[in-house]
Amino acid sequence: SQTIHQWPATLVQPVGSPLSLECTVEGTSNPNLYWYRQAAGRGLQLLFYSVGIGQISSEVPQNLSASRPQDRQFILSSKKLLLSDSGFYLCASSTGLNYGYTFGSGTRLTVV
Amino acid sequence: RKEVEQDPGPFNVPEGATVAFNCTYSNSASQSFFWYRQDCRKEPKLLMSVYSSGNEDGRFTAQLNRASQYISLLIRDSKLSDSATYLCVVPLRSKIIFGSGTRLSIRP
Repeated sequence: SQTIHQWPATLVQPVGSPLSLECTVEGTSNPNLYWYRQAAGRGLQLLFYSVGIGQISSEVPQNLSASRPQDRQFILSSKKLLLSDSGFYLCASSTGLNYGYTFGSGTRLTVV
Repeated sequence: RKEVEQDPGPFNVPEGATVAFNCTYSNSASQSFFWYRQDCRKEPKLLMSVYSSGNEDGRFTAQLNRASQYISLLIRDSKLSDSATYLCVVPLRSKIIFGSGTRLSIRP
């Protein structure tokens, strides 16, 4: 079964600082990978998804970017954080649309 | 119409009650569906999958109505530990679309 490692669990960053969140997957190969953000009390918003190395699809225009340098590594970045970037960031992995999706434990980001 | 819509609730029901909530989806091409459970400040976890007309697992029953394009989740004999947010998930091509979630609170 898949295991997703996501770190750090919590992060407090000042406005204007850069961001890098990393997600790695074990137990599968060539997964579809996803970054979601959840604002407090809200639903999950799909930010990026990737079907393979170097292939990134963006769902929402914003100051965030994503990269997939290796098959089981997915990185979320920002050059300059905004207050509105605060939220709960979740990485997810899927081996196919008819299978369940596995989530990492998430990173709670607070931009101050 | 949103791709996936859920009643946000909250549903507040007594322990032992039966509760049901629906999720509607817009794309008739979707073939598989999922219910996830999310506890406060935690990641979502898979509760049930629905591939055909329905699925039952203990106190939980998920049903799919393709003609009307909705899936439902029924919880029987609800427990205090069932209190959570329940997310409807609809895969669409390479994307996973989540509903905004239905909050359920079980009171003693």
